[in-house]
Amino acid sequence: GESVGLHLPTLSVQEGDNSIINCAYSNSASDYFIWYKQESGKGPQFIIDIRSNMDKRQGQRVTVLLNKTVKHLSLQIAATQPGDSAVYFCAELTPRGGGADGLTFGKGTHLIIQP
Amino acid sequence: DTGVSQDPRHKITKRGQNVTFRCDPISEHNRLYWYRQTLGQGPEFLTYFQNEAQLEKSRLLSDRFSAERPKGSFSTLEIQRTEQGDSAMYLCASSPRTSGTGELFFGEGSRLTVL
Repeated sequence: GESVGLHLPTLSVQEGDNSIINCAYSNSASDYFIWYKQESGKGPQFIIDIRSNMDKRQGQRVTVLLNKTVKHLSLQIAATQPGDSAVYFCAELTPRGGGADGLTFGKGTHLIIQP
Repeated sequence: DTGVSQDPRHKITKRGQNVTFRCDPISEHNRLYWYRQTLGQGPEFLTYFQNEAQLEKSRLLSDRFSAERPKGSFSTLEIQRTEQGDSAMYLCASSPRTSGTGELFFGEGSRLTVL
């Protein structure tokens, strides 16, 4: 069936290093992807999105890469800081009934920043 | 604060009892979503409103669950005859857009524990 999943449940990096979080998706018709950050006890927070007509998009300290050939996307965080510690989810925009759309989330990767 | 607010933040109940959660979206957001999140998993779509119309319900939403958005503003999610498997974080999100974007604004969730 269709699914959005992540390769690693936990990623530990040193403060100041770059982080790369990976995500695989199975629906080749997907054309819009989003990364969310969820801190402990809080709701998910939008980080960055990308459409399938792009292979790279940059934000502030974050970059999302999309490889449609292998149905893979990644989130790169530059110079990670303690405040980056969170669970990161990739999500896929899914057409739904009534002309609506909704997000299908993967399981998440827990990013741990070591001092 | 003009973000999405949810109430209560925590609810502990005994199996078989009914519970109701409330969500106040960001004002003027016409789209409202309910998601459920269990430990270590990404949020799972439950249902969606555009204004007061409930446009889709997930198969996860059994007949014990009902959601309303009577005036197109706040929404309630009621769970009748709760079961231990209902224990989860119930997340509400809203969006101002008509389609084509995944930028949902999430509340901090209502955590349900069924004993």
